[in-house]
Amino acid sequence: GQQVMQIPQYQHVQEGEDFTTYCNSSTTLSNIQWYKQRPGGHPVFLIQLVKSGEVKKQKRLTFQFGEAKKNSSLHITATQTTDVGTYFCAGFDYKLSFGAGTTVTVRA
Amino acid sequence: GAGVSQSPSNKVTEKGKDVELRCDPISGHTALYWYRQSLGQGLEFLIYFQGNSAPDKSGLPSDRFSAERTGGSVSTLTIQRTQQEDSAVYLCASSLAQGIDETQYFGPGTRLLVL
Repeated sequence: GQQVMQIPQYQHVQEGEDFTTYCNSSTTLSNIQWYKQRPGGHPVFLIQLVKSGEVKKQKRLTFQFGEAKKNSSLHITATQTTDVGTYFCAGFDYKLSFGAGTTVTVRA
Repeated sequence: GAGVSQSPSNKVTEKGKDVELRCDPISGHTALYWYRQSLGQGLEFLIYFQGNSAPDKSGLPSDRFSAERTGGSVSTLTIQRTQQEDSAVYLCASSLAQGIDETQYFGPGTRLLVL
């Protein structure tokens, strides 16, 4: 069945640095979504990517969908303390499957 | 408009007791999902509803878990004879429809602690 994997599981970042988290699917996806969950909160939708090779930006966040529509990445530049949380990708094949998430902590 | 609501927000119960968790989806959303999230873990899919029917129950951990949805709106997740390993946050999400553009809107969750 469909599996969505995220790496790394944990990302500890120095404030101001950049980092990337990756999402890989075992099957070709129709779309991929990204969610953010702040500590103690619930997942909140960030963005959806649909087209092969699509790139979307939200301020310091850049989301990319792979050409084969089997992987995606989230790149955050100039990390801030407000970026703390867990970032989930969710791939839609015949249903939406969530990855295990990348938990981001930031040291000032 | 109002988002997804869940009740209770916190539930402490004794091992062996039954619990019932409630989810009120966003009005007009036909698809409803239940997930479980253990401390520091990802989202574990439990079940989803399209209308009142549950096409996919594959994530329910055991026959102690059941869910229903009535009137295409409110859903309840029931856990019978709770065990300590059932302790987790139970999240409900709804989406406008089940399909390719199914952005999910999550509720705040119910934190269940089984003693």
